[in-house]
Amino acid sequence: AQSVAQPEDQVNVAEGNPLTVKCTYSVSGNPYLFWYVQYPNRGLQFLLKYITGDNLVKGSYGFEAEFNKSQTSFHLKKPSALVSDSALYFCAVRDERGKLIFGQGTELSVKP
Amino acid sequence: DAGVIQSPRHEVTEMGQEVTLRCKPISGHDYLFWYRQTMMRGLELLIYFNNNVPIDDSGMPEDRFSAKMPNASFSTLKIQPSEPRDSAVYFCASSLREGSQAFFGQGTRLTVV
Repeated sequence: AQSVAQPEDQVNVAEGNPLTVKCTYSVSGNPYLFWYVQYPNRGLQFLLKYITGDNLVKGSYGFEAEFNKSQTSFHLKKPSALVSDSALYFCAVRDERGKLIFGQGTELSVKP
Repeated sequence: DAGVIQSPRHEVTEMGQEVTLRCKPISGHDYLFWYRQTMMRGLELLIYFNNNVPIDDSGMPEDRFSAKMPNASFSTLKIQPSEPRDSAVYFCASSLREGSQAFFGQGTRLTVV
């Protein structure tokens, strides 16, 4: 069965510093990996995805993620955090049958 | 396209009543998902459809929950009878093929009193 783990419930970063939100996954076959962001009282918004190809994927708002097959990880990164990046971030994995499941979410807090 | 449309946005009902949540996916999308979000359990996949056919309903919590997709442009999630522990935000999402991202609706906030 597929699964996604986000080991940190919360990540705190100072504005201007780099940020990393961690994600590991388990899935049969080739993984389709995604990151989403959720702002209060809103639905989830797509940030980026890995399907195949380059291990470093670039997405919206300056975010990027690195796919590491040997470590089954897909960590979200940004070189310089903004206060407006504060939100709830979800990692997701989709299998070849189309089933899409999400991690528990990581709350990112960026302080000025 | 207006995106995934869910209705109602908010629902308050009494314990024991039937609740029906509705979803209109993005036109042309083959997949439709129903999720439930709570503080305790996070974002849980309840059921998903491919070309209107339910593929995996293993996340449906119990027989009180049922979902249908009578055509490509409409799906419902029904709870009968509702209980206070069903209080949550329910999201619908749709996508193209397996490798595509899913697009989410704004959610329905259900409160059962």
